[in-house]
Amino acid sequence: LAKTTQPISMDSYEGQEVNITCSHNNIATNDYITWYQQFPSQGPRFIIQGYKTKVTNEVASLFIPADRKSSTLSLPRVSLSDTAVYYCLVENAGNMLTFGGGTRLMVKP
Amino acid sequence: ETGVTQTPRHLVMGMTNKKSLKCEQHLGHNAMYWYKQSAKKPLELMFVYNFKEQTENNSVPSRFSPECPNSSHLFLHLHTLQPEDSALYLCASSQEPPPGGGEQYFGPGTRLTVT
Repeated sequence: LAKTTQPISMDSYEGQEVNITCSHNNIATNDYITWYQQFPSQGPRFIIQGYKTKVTNEVASLFIPADRKSSTLSLPRVSLSDTAVYYCLVENAGNMLTFGGGTRLMVKP
Repeated sequence: ETGVTQTPRHLVMGMTNKKSLKCEQHLGHNAMYWYKQSAKKPLELMFVYNFKEQTENNSVPSRFSPECPNSSHLFLHLHTLQPEDSALYLCASSQEPPPGGGEQYFGPGTRLTVT
């Protein structure tokens, strides 16, 4: 069962690129990696999902190295509204879903 | 609005009470989930239902009892809870079950306080 570890908090400034890395050393062959964003008093919201290499959508990119033991969520040009908690999730073929502890991102003006 | 609704939004109950949490999705999704979110712990998966069949019970105590009468509704029945069960309970749904089933749509959660 993959254990996911991510930094507790990060600070950034508006307009900067932010990279949040998640460690999942025990990831299995068929596991997927997903990232979610959560604002206070709301449920998490999907950002991006990937299996290997690089995935990009309109809001973020996800980089996964060949060994898949880590993944990096990249948020280009953050704004104040990106201040939130970001969770890494490893989805296992056996319906085991392991969330990281969350990274609290603070974007400053 | 994510298309997943949860009621009630807040619930206070005593340790001897019985209550139920309700989740509803009209997204046509096949998989539904219950999660527990405590202040000092990561999101914890409790139950997964796929096509109304329970496929995962993540070592959850029997005082939590899920029910999935159809693919749109999910309940969590609560009885004789403990104060440490106080948490935010989140429901989610996805088109397909994990892994790689795509994004999960989360409801706003029920804030449960056990006194």
